[in-house]
Amino acid sequence: DVKVTQSSRYLVKRTGEKVFLECVQDMDHENMFWYRQDPGLGLRLIYFSYDVKMKEKGDIPEGYSVSREKKERFSLILESASTNQTSMYLCASSLGPRVYNEQFFGPGTRLTVL
Amino acid sequence: QQPVQSPQAVILREGEDAVINCSSSKALYSVHWYRQKHGEAPVFLMILLKGGEQKGHEKISASFNEKKQQSSLYLTASQLSYSGTYFCGTASLAGTYKYIFGTGTRLKVLA
Repeated sequence: DVKVTQSSRYLVKRTGEKVFLECVQDMDHENMFWYRQDPGLGLRLIYFSYDVKMKEKGDIPEGYSVSREKKERFSLILESASTNQTSMYLCASSLGPRVYNEQFFGPGTRLTVL
Repeated sequence: QQPVQSPQAVILREGEDAVINCSSSKALYSVHWYRQKHGEAPVFLMILLKGGEQKGHEKISASFNEKKQQSSLYLTASQLSYSGTYFCGTASLAGTYKYIFGTGTRLKVLA
């Protein structure tokens, strides 16, 4: 079975801190995604990557950056955390390159910024 | 331009049927359906492609109307395990191959 793991289930940070959210998948998937999930807004795509060192902006990239140095790992970086970035963050991966392939999600990281 | 899902929430009794709709303002290449149980990660249910190809769950069916740019998920003879939030994800003909997910439909099945 595909497994997508995220470094923390819960995280509490202070405004202005630099925050790293890590995601690792074990099935050699080309595509990896970062979403945030907020009540009433569903899943919104922040960034995705279709290959090592390749990245593309999603719908809400402002305030975030990403890094993909190895195929199995995709990191989301909040350069200077703000309270409006308090949310559930979900990582996902899929076999590329076709959009036909299903996404496998990690358990999520609930980030609170104080 | 997130796809719009309807209804936003629905409550059923075991054995009843439900339909969840997903409408997009853009032409679609594919529609994906996921279910998320409370506190868990979303799980894949089904993918429908333009042209009629499907891949998915045995007990759940869906339709894809390309002209109307919408998809419907049919849950028949619902079970308690069907409870959760259902999301559609759409991939457009335009732009890159990324999904845009809808706002979700909360479904609760009562015994």
